[in-house]
Amino acid sequence: AQSVTQLGSHVSVSEGALVLLRCNYSSSVPPYLFWYVQYPNQGLQLLLKYTSAATLVKGINGFEAEFKKSETSFHLTKPSAHMSDAAEYFCAVFLLRGSARQLTFGSGTQLTVLP
Amino acid sequence: DVKVTQSSRYLVKRTGEKVFLECVQDMDHENMFWYRQDPGLGLRLIYFSYDVKMKEKGDIPEGYSVSREKKERFSLILESASTNQTSMYLCASSFSGTGRGFSPLHFGNGTRLTVT
Repeated sequence: AQSVTQLGSHVSVSEGALVLLRCNYSSSVPPYLFWYVQYPNQGLQLLLKYTSAATLVKGINGFEAEFKKSETSFHLTKPSAHMSDAAEYFCAVFLLRGSARQLTFGSGTQLTVLP
Repeated sequence: DVKVTQSSRYLVKRTGEKVFLECVQDMDHENMFWYRQDPGLGLRLIYFSYDVKMKEKGDIPEGYSVSREKKERFSLILESASTNQTSMYLCASSFSGTGRGFSPLHFGNGTRLTVT
């Protein structure tokens, strides 16, 4: 079955430490992949997207993600965490469902940044 | 910037009531979506629409219906609200671009619905 999986529902890092949020997908066709961020009491905001142009994708707020086809992964990273990065992060992939692709979300990872 | 506006941030309704959640986008997007968000479950697609008067079921359409009479407006209807429909509801829209649904979704700020 086609799906998207985020490993770790909660991740805590210290301010200034590396952020690594994991996402794996399963798709029978080349995927279109996205990372979204949700701050408290807000909707989702697009961080970055992969559409096959380059395997390393840079997004807003210093985040980037690398598409690894062999590992079917699209992990999100940031070299140095800031307090303002505390939020929930969602990986999403367009999956073939029925007659068209639909955007399917992972279950989310809550990022806590410790002072 | 794309603006997706949901008419209410917070809503409290009683069991059995008919509930309307409204969503308007201002970027002439063809595609519109309704998701519900629950802790630990991520976002689940309820219904979507690729054109005016067109609708398709998502993963969890039971207990919901939708209406899209105008391109900019997509309404979610709870025919008879139940307590298990207490949730955060998120509307989104996107441009069709090259192929259906390949462009990013733009989200509203959500409506937190409580059914008592």
